[in-house]
Parts: sequence; structure tokens; C-alpha cells
Amino acid sequence: GIQVEQSPPDLILQEGANSTLRCNFSDSVNNLQWFHQNPWGQLINLFYIPSGTKQNGRLSATTVATERYSLLYISSSQTTDSGVYFCAPRYRGSTLGRLYFGRGTQLTVWP
Amino acid sequence: SAVISQKPSRDICQRGTSLTIQCQVDSQVTMMFWYRQQPGQSLTLIATANQGSEATYESGFVIDKFPISRPNLTFSTLTVSNMSPEDSSIYLCSVVSGVNQPQHFGDGTRLSIL
Repeated sequence: GIQVEQSPPDLILQEGANSTLRCNFSDSVNNLQWFHQNPWGQLINLFYIPSGTKQNGRLSATTVATERYSLLYISSSQTTDSGVYFCAPRYRGSTLGRLYFGRGTQLTVWP
Repeated sequence: SAVISQKPSRDICQRGTSLTIQCQVDSQVTMMFWYRQQPGQSLTLIATANQGSEATYESGFVIDKFPISRPNLTFSTLTVSNMSPEDSSIYLCSVVSGVNQPQHFGDGTRLSIL
């Protein structure tokens, strides 16, 4: 079956530190999204990135579709970055819009 | 992006009862989905809500337990039937506006069964 593996599962940082989250996927994708789930359970759409690199403030994402992985970079982390980060590829041939979610990376940022 | 309103935001229900969750979008969307997130887990797709026809359910989910309606291109409901404590989860509605568009999520319904 389709596999989405995220690493690390847990990450604890001090405010100001940088981090890299990784997502490996098992099949060809036509797109990929990164989400942040905050402590209140809301899912925030961070990036929609089939390939290449995108940046949004302190966050950036890179997807290398040919090698089946994506990376999320968080620089100068803040306590508000805490929460769970999910990677969700959309596979070629799947139902329009259907996403497959990884288990997530639980990020805790301490002041 | 589309504004998604999901109601109720949370509820506490008795075992054996049913609850209907509503998802309203401020613009017409191509696809609507319902996901479940059990405590401490990732998101699992329950079904794709099809406009004017029966929903398409994922393995492990059945219409009798999770009936879904989608009468038009902006509204859908998910009913959780004959609830048990194992149904305590966050239920999320998501939408896609068109081809090559990102998927956006409502704020979710946090459901607890006593």
C-alpha cells in the first residue's frame, strides 16, 4: 500500500533554533501539502508543493518528486511553531484531491 | 481560499445516540471529504462526499455507521450513528476547489462519547 513516512516523530527545540522535517513517500505524486496542526486542533495549510522550493517567512519547503521526498525547514523557531506537522502527498491516479497523511512530527518549542 | 464553516465545534454525547456534523463552504467546490482523527493519531479518510449521489467510502468505513449527504456544491453533512466511546475523535471536513488546487480543512468537530 501507499506509505508516507515522516521523521523525526518528535522534536524538542529551544526558541531560535532551526530544524528540518522530512517526508518520504512510496509512489509518484502530482502534488504534496504540508500542514501545521496547532494545539487547538486546527489544520493550517503551509505549503502546496509538487516540486521545487517555496518559502513563506521563516518556513520553506522543498520537494524532490523524482527521489520521493519532501523537506520542511523552520528557521528561528518560536513557541507558536509548536504543534504537529503533517505531510500529505496526493498520488497520481488517486481520487481528485485525495491526500494520504503521514503520522506527523510533534514539535515542541521552549522559550 | 474557500472559507469553511464546520458545526458543531465540539460536543459530548451519550453512548448509542447519533450526531450530525455540518460543513458549509462559502463558494462552490469540486470535492468534499470527511476525515477522522483519533486521539494522538494522524488523519484517516472516511469518505469522499459526492454531489447528488452516494458517498465513496474507504475501507473500514460503512454507510450505516457514517451516512453522508452532499445536496449541492457548498454543503455536506456527516452523521456518526449509534456512537460508542471508540468514536471519540476529531472529525474534519475538507474541500478542493478545482484541479491542481490545495485541499483546505475546516476547524473540525471534537466529539467525546460518554
